[in-house]
This record gives sequence, structure tokens and C-alpha cells, in this order.
Amino acid sequence: AQTVTQSQPEMSVQEAETVTLSCTYDTSENNYYLFWYKQPPSRQMILVIRQEAYKQQNATENRFSVNFQKAAKSFSLKISDSQLGDTAMYFCAFPLIQGAQKLVFGQGTRLTINP
Amino acid sequence: DTAVSQTPKYLVTQMGNDKSIKCEQNLGHDTMYWYKQDSKKFLKIMFSYNNKELIINETVPNRFSPKSPDKAHLNLHINSLELGDSAVYFCASSLHRESGEKLFFGSGTQLSVL
Repeated sequence: AQTVTQSQPEMSVQEAETVTLSCTYDTSENNYYLFWYKQPPSRQMILVIRQEAYKQQNATENRFSVNFQKAAKSFSLKISDSQLGDTAMYFCAFPLIQGAQKLVFGQGTRLTINP
Repeated sequence: DTAVSQTPKYLVTQMGNDKSIKCEQNLGHDTMYWYKQDSKKFLKIMFSYNNKELIINETVPNRFSPKSPDKAHLNLHINSLELGDSAVYFCASSLHRESGEKLFFGSGTQLSVL
């Protein structure tokens, strides 16, 4: 079975600090995508970053970057210079089937950025 | 303009009632989805349509019936509501059905069954 695991239910850091959220997954596929989605208190899910498994280079979007370790099946999200607006639930997600957008989500990590 | 809009945002109803949630996207996307988020924030896909064709149909009670009149709309009808149906229901869309596509989500419908 393909699963996604986020082992940190909650995290809290001070504004401007760097924080890393962990995610591990299990798959027998060789080529796939991985995603981090953010759900702020407004409730709407927003894509933070996407990684293609066949790319060696880790994806980066401004202050957000990933550490993708394919052999270890690990996909962590690093937020640099954290801001109050980064306070949200963060979900790691993985498509269960190639060729169809059937995402399976991790349990989520509640991140709080303190002033 | 809201890209993916769903109505209503909140729905409070009695057990046994029938209710519908509507979703519309103005992005020109081919594929639309319904996801359910339970009280523990766990998100699970329910259905997906691609150009009005049902392509994903997870194991959900048959009291839940999606309908896609055109590729810009995907509605969810729920018959005989039960307490366990209380959750937040999210509509989403993607340009195509492929697994690498970005999902655009609506702001959710919080359903409370009393």
C-alpha cells in the first residue's frame, strides 16, 4: 500500500527562524510527484511546492524548499525566515496512481509561527 | 474572481435530510474532485470527474452522488444524512487528470449533521 506519514503533529517556532517539516512515503513506483499543501486558518488548501521524483535537484519556491531523498523515501519541507502568515496546517501529498490525480495526504503538521 | 467556488460555506442540517453542495471553477480545467476532511484534518478523495466523465470513485456510501453537468461544475448530493457525514467537503480542480497536476481548492463546505 502506498502511504504518506508526517510524524510531527505540531511544531512551533519564532518568527524569522527556519523550520523543517518531515514527510516519509512508501511506493513501488519509480517516477512520481510529491507535493506540500498548506491550509491556513481560512481553510483553503494552497499548493506550496511540488517535486518530480526523476529530478535530482530539490525544488525551491522563494522561502520554501524541499529536501528530497528518493532512496530514503523522504520529502521534507524547509521554511526559511518564517513569517506569521506561514502559520497553517501543512500536508504532504502523493498521487496513489500514476496517470490519475488521486492524491493521498499525510496526517498534517500544525505549524505555529510566534511573534 | 474566485477560481474554485463552492456553496454553501456552512451547512447545518438534521439527520435524515438530503442536501447538495455546489462547485464551480472558472479556470477552464478539465478535471474536478471532491475531497472530505474529517475532524482530525485527515483528507481523503471521494470522487473525480474528467470532462464530465467519472474517473475516480472511492469507497463511499452510495448516499453520496456526484453530478457534473459540464466540465466547469461538479455538485455533490447527499441523501439520508448521518452524524458521521459531518466534515468539511472540498471541491478542487486541475488542468488535466495527470498525477503531477497542481490542485486548486475551493474554500470548503463545513457540514454539520445534528
